[in-house]
Amino acid sequence: QLQLQESGSGLVKPSQTLSLTCAVSGGSISSGGYSWSWIRQPPGKGLEWIGYIYHSGSTYYNPSLKSRVTISVDRSKNQFSLKLSSVTAADTAVYYCARGVDSSGYRTFDYWGQGTLVTVSS
Amino acid sequence: QTVVTQEPSLTVSPGGTVTLTCASSTGAVTSGYYPNWFQQKPGQAPRALIYSTSNKHSWTPARFSGSLLGGKAALTLSGVQPEDEAEYYCLLYYGGARVFGTGTKVTVL
Repeated sequence: QLQLQESGSGLVKPSQTLSLTCAVSGGSISSGGYSWSWIRQPPGKGLEWIGYIYHSGSTYYNPSLKSRVTISVDRSKNQFSLKLSSVTAADTAVYYCARGVDSSGYRTFDYWGQGTLVTVSS
Repeated sequence: QTVVTQEPSLTVSPGGTVTLTCASSTGAVTSGYYPNWFQQKPGQAPRALIYSTSNKHSWTPARFSGSLLGGKAALTLSGVQPEDEAEYYCLLYYGGARVFGTGTKVTVL
């Protein structure tokens, strides 16, 4: 059973950089046909996809966040990470990591982490 | 900025049927957008229900079904159970980008 677990700072000051890591267990992050995404949800609001990375290192970001987002992968540790720079209160949210299935004919997010709340406040 | 719109809220009686829809600001939703549906209960991570329009995950109850309806993606809940009360989100794929819908709160009353 694949499991994903987010970790990182729960409190970030405005203008600083948010950093989170998603540890993957029960499967290899290097397996083909999968992407690894970050998704967030501000309190009481809907879901917003942030971006994804493939095990090869290629990335795709939400255009609205692209200038501030970096997603990277560490295959040796079977984990991937998110950095979001110049944060403001609007970046306060529960951040989820998820596995994306990107095979011919079907696409989905099948496994999700439990989520971690990040609050931006001085 | 692409917007994916869902009904804000729907109410259904136990044992009844309800259909949620998912519309794209770019035009008609087709299978090429690989419509997905997720269920989220308070304090929990979203759970995948339907992928690529109408396919069910191994854990998806039989009462959930997906389709295309009048240029939109649709999720139908038949024989609704009290535990189906939740927020439901659709997801559409626009090439490399993924865009979630605005969400529908389903109340079972």
